[in-house]
Amino acid sequence: GALVYQYPRRTICKSGTSMRMECQAVGFQATSVAWYRQSPQKTFELIALSTVNSAIKYEQNFTQEKFPISHPNLSFSSMTVLNAYLEDRGLYLCGAGGYAEQFFGPGTRLTVL
Amino acid sequence: GEQVEQRPPHLSVREGDSAFITCTYTDPNSYYFFWYKQEPGASLQLLMKVFSSTEINEGQGFTVLLNKKDKRLSLNLTAAHPGDSAAYFCAVSDSGYNKLTFGKGTVLLVSP
Repeated sequence: GALVYQYPRRTICKSGTSMRMECQAVGFQATSVAWYRQSPQKTFELIALSTVNSAIKYEQNFTQEKFPISHPNLSFSSMTVLNAYLEDRGLYLCGAGGYAEQFFGPGTRLTVL
Repeated sequence: GEQVEQRPPHLSVREGDSAFITCTYTDPNSYYFFWYKQEPGASLQLLMKVFSSTEINEGQGFTVLLNKKDKRLSLNLTAAHPGDSAAYFCAVSDSGYNKLTFGKGTVLLVSP
């Protein structure tokens, strides 16, 4: 079956430092990967959508300079939160899409001290 | 872009009662519709995916209704039980199916 793994599941970083998270698709080809953030007590906001062979598209309020994303093949993507601050804490979800399906990983929960 | 409004933000019902959550969306080209359940501290669990061509969809213990004319999507939990207590999110995507727009969520509490 199709599975999406995310690493790490939980992480803590100091304010002003950076952390990298990964998304691994197993059992299907992830032609698109969408990264979402759920801040505390809020809904899921799309950060960016990466489609193979296309430029990564960032949503308003999110930039490549802050959230650089790599999507080098059909099974893997990574995103870094650069210079993390308190407002960056939350659950980061990876949604990996194939044809007419999208599967979510379990998320990476980021705490910023 | 697409905007999704979800109501109510909080809902408390007694065990055995129904719980009704509704979302309205703006983009008439929306094609796929989803309901997710999120338990505390956990990720998203897909309850149901609805295509734009279907209007009534029954799951295990719940019904999802899609009204394309009113651009309204609803989730009705029939005979709710305490295990249904969680946050529920609707989400909408176009036919490209790559990008989901989520509602703000409904926190449901089912008391014994």
